[in-house]
Amino acid sequence: SQTIHQWPATLVQPVGSPLSLECTVEGTSNPNLYWYRQAAGRGLQLLFYSVGIGQISSEVPQNLSASRPQDRQFILSSKKLLLSDSGFYLCAWSSGPGGYTFGSGTRLTVV
Amino acid sequence: GIQVEQSPPDLILQEGANSTLRCNFSDSVNNLQWFHQNPWGQLINLFYIPSGTKQNGRLSATTVATERYSLLYISSSQTTDSGVYFCAVGRGTDKLIFGTGTRLQVFP
Repeated sequence: SQTIHQWPATLVQPVGSPLSLECTVEGTSNPNLYWYRQAAGRGLQLLFYSVGIGQISSEVPQNLSASRPQDRQFILSSKKLLLSDSGFYLCAWSSGPGGYTFGSGTRLTVV
Repeated sequence: GIQVEQSPPDLILQEGANSTLRCNFSDSVNNLQWFHQNPWGQLINLFYIPSGTKQNGRLSATTVATERYSLLYISSSQTTDSGVYFCAVGRGTDKLIFGTGTRLQVFP
């Protein structure tokens, strides 16, 4: 069966520090991968999506970047965090319409 | 881009009550899904329903694509139904645009 792993679950980072969040998928190949951010407990904003290794599309200009070094690995990064980067970050994968599965999320607090 | 509006924004029910959540979208779509986010943040896919009607236990959903809306029905609500319900739509790709959600609280 397919599973999606996302870590860490919570993270507190100082302003200006780097960030790396990792997401991996098991049990499928060539999934579409997504990073979403949820602020203030309501509404998910699509940040990045990827349809294959090295292929990244950015939806919103921001202080973050994404990479897909392997088929089932998706990484969200920042060189210098801002206070406004705080939020709940969710990774998801899909194999086609209707097949969306989310990870358990990372709650990031920038202090 | 496509706009997705959900109503009501908040809903408070007593156990056993029924409810209807609505999702309006601004353009034609070929992908519509309903999700439930539990109080711990986990998002669960409830329905993939770009058109028609589906039922799963106490939950059912109907999408009228020509009129650009979808409804989620919850019957005999339970405290475990509490959380936020999201409608999400897409067109042409697997990317989903999420609505702002309906926060449901069910009290015993």
